[in-house]
Amino acid sequence: DAKTTQPTSMDCAEGRAANLPCNHSTISGNEYVYWYRQIHSQGPQYIIHGLKNNETNEMASLIITEDRKSSTLILPHATLRDTAVYYCIVRNPNTGKLIFGQGTTLQVKP
Amino acid sequence: GAGVSQSPSNKVTEKGKDVELRCDPISGHTALYWYRQSLGQGLEFLIYFQGNSAPDKSGLPSDRFSAERTGGSVSTLTIQRTQQEDSAVYLCASSLNPSPTGELFFGEGSRLTVL
Repeated sequence: DAKTTQPTSMDCAEGRAANLPCNHSTISGNEYVYWYRQIHSQGPQYIIHGLKNNETNEMASLIITEDRKSSTLILPHATLRDTAVYYCIVRNPNTGKLIFGQGTTLQVKP
Repeated sequence: GAGVSQSPSNKVTEKGKDVELRCDPISGHTALYWYRQSLGQGLEFLIYFQGNSAPDKSGLPSDRFSAERTGGSVSTLTIQRTQQEDSAVYLCASSLNPSPTGELFFGEGSRLTVL
């Protein structure tokens, strides 16, 4: 299972874009990059996923480098409710299991 | 229900007792996963079910831990002779199939405290 590396914590001003980086240098060609977040005491919430191309949905954008060794999750206009732990995950293509790292604690400040 | 349901939401037990935690996945979801989250830590994978079989049990920490799934639906995680280090939130997730592109939906977890 590929391992991911994320900064332990980040701050972002409310209303500004939050850019959360992730390194996954050992990713295989058929492994997807997933992002989940966990707000205190709740179950993890799906945000977005991608394989090679950049992806965008109503929550966020995912930018994956051409060599696929790193990616960035972008929350375009962070709100206080976006304060959470954000997990970057490389998903096992055979079992579908997600292997979580320690994640990045994002603190959105007013 | 519409989401993954877990019970009990909270369980306090004494060291040495057995506990059972239940997970009701989303109807029709064939893949089911159990995770454990200790205080301040990330999620630790325990076991994966496809239907009623468990092709990946690699995350079970010891032989005191076991899980089963019946009827391709409800799953039970059993911890025998509980220890204090078993205290954690146990999370269940399901997905329509084990495809690498299907979303995993998580329940709210069962918080286990071993005294």
